[in-house]
Amino acid sequence: DTGVSQDPRHKITKRGQNVTFRCDPISEHNRLYWYRQTLGQGPEFLTYFQNEAQLEKSRLLSDRFSAERPKGSFSTLEIQRTEQGDSAMYLCASSFRPGTNSYEQYFGPGTRLTVT
Amino acid sequence: DQQVKQNSPSLSVQEGRISILNCDYTNSMFDYFLWYKKYPAEGPTFLISISSIKDKNEDGRFTVFLNKSAKHLSLHIVPSQPGDSAVYFCAASATGGGADGLTFGKGTHLIIQP
Repeated sequence: DTGVSQDPRHKITKRGQNVTFRCDPISEHNRLYWYRQTLGQGPEFLTYFQNEAQLEKSRLLSDRFSAERPKGSFSTLEIQRTEQGDSAMYLCASSFRPGTNSYEQYFGPGTRLTVT
Repeated sequence: DQQVKQNSPSLSVQEGRISILNCDYTNSMFDYFLWYKKYPAEGPTFLISISSIKDKNEDGRFTVFLNKSAKHLSLHIVPSQPGDSAVYFCAASATGGGADGLTFGKGTHLIIQP
């Protein structure tokens, strides 16, 4: 298995611009999660998908944020009208291979967003 | 309101000795707990987990202990090795097996000294 991959690894953008991140989960994992991590904090849950269905959204996911997983494989996270407070590491994780009872979440390397 | 607390921001341990990392939680609905290890510029790496029906789980040098009445868990690393130097996060889930979003603590920076 290849691990979870995320693209880009780093993104610098100006305030007010839109950005989009991509996550490719471990193959055959049907759950995909997005988290945000700021300095000195642990990852904070944003949203997750089971296949293509978005099952839960955190209150942290403001209306400027949207996530999709159109074919139940890769996912995108878009932030519109970025603000300096959006600067963070955005982490993607995947879990659950059908036929197992293991739900441990495996994380990608993250996308570091800097909003200037 | 922090539901998962790691009260020690850092911990220094000599190589070869035991490292004990602690975690407390407040939400009595949590029933599945995980430990992750994180190096700089990388995502968290899963280490070990424990269900609330158990009080101990071992995997090689790593053992997690759960005390439900105290709402406390700990990760023991024996013996500690230089490669164990990293930030360790405790995480919890209120659904069986951690299927939903996890709640993380702020992490403990473990430093293994030669």
